[in-house]
Amino acid sequence: QKEVEQDPGPLSVPEGAIVSLNCTYSNSAFQYFMWYRQYSRKGPELLMYTYSSGNKEDGRFTAQVDKSSKYISLFIRDSQPSDSATYLCAQGGGSYIPTFGRGTSLIVHP
Amino acid sequence: EAGVVQSPRYKIIEKKQPVAFWCNPISGHNTLYWYRQNLGQGPELLIRYENEEAVDDSQLPKDRFSAERLKGVDSTLKIQPAELGDSAVYLCASSFNAGSYEQYFGPGTRLTVT
Repeated sequence: QKEVEQDPGPLSVPEGAIVSLNCTYSNSAFQYFMWYRQYSRKGPELLMYTYSSGNKEDGRFTAQVDKSSKYISLFIRDSQPSDSATYLCAQGGGSYIPTFGRGTSLIVHP
Repeated sequence: EAGVVQSPRYKIIEKKQPVAFWCNPISGHNTLYWYRQNLGQGPELLIRYENEEAVDDSQLPKDRFSAERLKGVDSTLKIQPAELGDSAVYLCASSFNAGSYEQYFGPGTRLTVT
């Protein structure tokens, strides 16, 4: 079992929809939970991070961590075609080796 | 501010040939990571450097892979000899220090072994 599990999709939604992307994790030692966005043939770029539990909002994006259920979520409001990319969740921080999920492919069609 | 620079961007080689990848991290970043990303998968750490010291290399196949980070800045990852299964994207990332969650990735080198 991988430490971070993520449905690969693809997830196809119409423009303007609310998108929910999710991950589960098994190692409770990590304190930082990150979401990276990766466009085709590009390196991942950090989108958001959350420390421990709770929510964090940045514009149209909300990251949420539920440590009791070991669940990580990313919500995208008013999705745009430019949001079409692969979204990778990850755990890390401190001396721990960063661990990534396999990514969920999101397609937002006009 | 320049981002993480990697070269080459693409490389096609025959199996059993050697290959090398180069990475220049963001200025001032002490921690450098090499990842391998297979198609449809997330990045997997190969090696992490703190300045010039390799502190996490348990995932590096040491029989054929080697890496170095001279003077704690640029880094080179080498494969010799390459195998068909080494075809992947090799990503370099850097962060201010090991405790930082915030990694900055380069564009990667796409390796195809034929």
